[in-house]
Amino acid sequence: EPEVTQTPSHQVTQMGQEVILRCVPISNHLYFYWYRQILGQKVEFLVSFYNNEISEKSEIFDDQFSVERPDGSNFTLKIRSTKLEDSAMYFCASSLRQGGETQYFGPGTRLLVL
Amino acid sequence: SQKIEQNSEALNIQEGKTATLTCNYTNYSPAYLQWYRQDPGRGPVFLLLIRENEKEKRKERLKVTFDTTLKQSLFHITASQPADSATYLCAPPGSSNTGKLIFGQGTTLQVKP
Repeated sequence: EPEVTQTPSHQVTQMGQEVILRCVPISNHLYFYWYRQILGQKVEFLVSFYNNEISEKSEIFDDQFSVERPDGSNFTLKIRSTKLEDSAMYFCASSLRQGGETQYFGPGTRLLVL
Repeated sequence: SQKIEQNSEALNIQEGKTATLTCNYTNYSPAYLQWYRQDPGRGPVFLLLIRENEKEKRKERLKVTFDTTLKQSLFHITASQPADSATYLCAPPGSSNTGKLIFGQGTTLQVKP
């Protein structure tokens, strides 16, 4: 069964450093998302992306965050200057249908900012 | 603002019994609602989607109901097994139709043999 993959599985970085989290969505999916989950808290929406444009972003997704689909398969989340509070599990998701129906999530990247 | 509430207390049941989890939403009327399973340290796994015009949906031992009057969805697992132990997340979409999902806190289910 097709699945969403994410790399790396774990990332440790120093505060102020840039990180890029990578995702390979399911190949025929058109809608892409990033969510994050701080330890012990709920899954929070960051951004949705369709047709090479951001459809919606949350308040968390400030100027330090950006997303890109550099080719036909990868979908990346960049954090330009990481903060301690960016430490979380970051999930990529993709769906075939508009409106977010049936989103398939990747296994996540655990980001630790020191 | 749109709010999703799930019972934050863990639910402990005996193997073979039916587990019932509750999701309440306020301040909007989603066109559908999804349920996901999340195991520790893993991504959410899609289980079921129910639309506002569907009262009930089933998949194997899973059943979901959607009461738009009560603004509530119930998630049932019948003949529960220890392997069903996980956190179950309720996730309706946001009102903007961009695919944003609003997740509840989740209810942790523990099925004891």
